Amino acid sequence: DTGVSQNPRHKITKRGQNVTFRCDPISEHNRLYWYRQTLGQGPEFLTYFQNEAQLEKSRLLSDRFSAERPKGSFSTLEIQRTEQGDSAMYLCASRGDPTYGYTFGSGTRLTVV
Amino acid sequence: KQEVTQIPAALSVPEGENLVLNCSFTDSAIYNLQWFRQDPGKGLTSLLLIQSSQREQTSGRLNASLDKSSGRSTLYIAASQPGDSATYLCAVSWGDNQGGKLIFGQGTELSVKP
Repeated sequence: DTGVSQNPRHKITKRGQNVTFRCDPISEHNRLYWYRQTLGQGPEFLTYFQNEAQLEKSRLLSDRFSAERPKGSFSTLEIQRTEQGDSAMYLCASRGDPTYGYTFGSGTRLTVV
Repeated sequence: KQEVTQIPAALSVPEGENLVLNCSFTDSAIYNLQWFRQDPGKGLTSLLLIQSSQREQTSGRLNASLDKSSGRSTLYIAASQPGDSATYLCAVSWGDNQGGKLIFGQGTELSVKP
């Protein structure tokens, strides 16, 4: 297993378009998290899944955002009607046994023009 | 409210110097604390994980300490090298009853000059 994989690495989109990101976690990890990071800031929690169940969503996750994790494997994060304020790095992390910490992917950099 | 703060926001040191990065957190009932490194435009690389029952962890030139009672952690880097230049992030988990999510500090941007 090569770790957490995120695709695409970069996405440039026009304001108002929809975008979808994918995260493939470490296969045996049952927890999957999405974070958003803007320039000069630490990552902020968006949502997390335990297996296929989405258990918590941050208030940062407006109605334009939706996340899924079908079958408890990979996850997708969709942003509808993108706005310039959505420009950020979107990070995915997975975790199995809590004593082993979190593993992050390389992120997807979104630029809305 | 559970918060994590890192000071300083930026640090510049000459090569070879030993340095300390600071992290403070509210609510001492943490589950664990993790230090990450982030290179510009990249994802996060885990450096050290300290469980709430531990006082310190070491990996090579890195040593992280934890003092829950004072709400502080430090990351000590010995004999710094230009390749250590990156942003260092401290993140705290308050346990699975909080969803197990990490709360991050804003990071310390380290520059090591040759």
